[in-house]
Amino acid sequence: DTGVSQNPRHKITKRGQNVTFRCDPISEHNRLYWYRQTLGQGPEFLTYFQNEAQLEKSRLLSDRFSAERPKGSFSTLEIQRTEQGDSAMYLCASSPGSNQPQHFGDGTRLSIL
Amino acid sequence: ILNVEQSPQSLHVQEGDSTNFTCSFPSSNFYALHWYRWETAKSPEALFVMTLNGDEKKKGRISATLNTKEGYSYLYIKGSQPEDSATYLCAPAARQLTFGSGTQLTVLP
Repeated sequence: DTGVSQNPRHKITKRGQNVTFRCDPISEHNRLYWYRQTLGQGPEFLTYFQNEAQLEKSRLLSDRFSAERPKGSFSTLEIQRTEQGDSAMYLCASSPGSNQPQHFGDGTRLSIL
Repeated sequence: ILNVEQSPQSLHVQEGDSTNFTCSFPSSNFYALHWYRWETAKSPEALFVMTLNGDEKKKGRISATLNTKEGYSYLYIKGSQPEDSATYLCAPAARQLTFGSGTQLTVLP
């Protein structure tokens, strides 16, 4: 069990660029979650997968955001045409099922110039 | 989306003091309550997942209780140590987790 791995740890980009983050969950966990966290707030749910199926997306998630988990293992989160308001910490978590503790990665901190 | 409130927002205590925080959430559409601890520069760490009214869980000096009928949970830390300094987050689970803003605890040596 190597834990949940996210990369990159930090991403600085200019407004309007596309960015992609990767998450490698704990291998036996079938659930994978993406969250966004801004200063002074708790993590905000974005989307989650059970195996390769994306089962829920937050209504707050604009169509510039897309997530995939093509083989039910790692996942990617892409943000197209980034905006200043996208600056945040993006956290990934995994769990073996519902009502189970979620194991978080260290996050990717995105800064939009 | 659930409305989750945590209080206090921040707290400073002396080493050795015991302390507690509150998490309030709507009691309907609920099926579990998670507590996480988030230290600066680290990832959130799961403390407890509770599902039953009256549930009480303990992990070392940290314990938590749950009242699903009135929609609150308490987290207690007995004999606080500097290494307990962190933000403590609660998250009721309905369709997904909704996190509160957390209680930021600082334990002064």
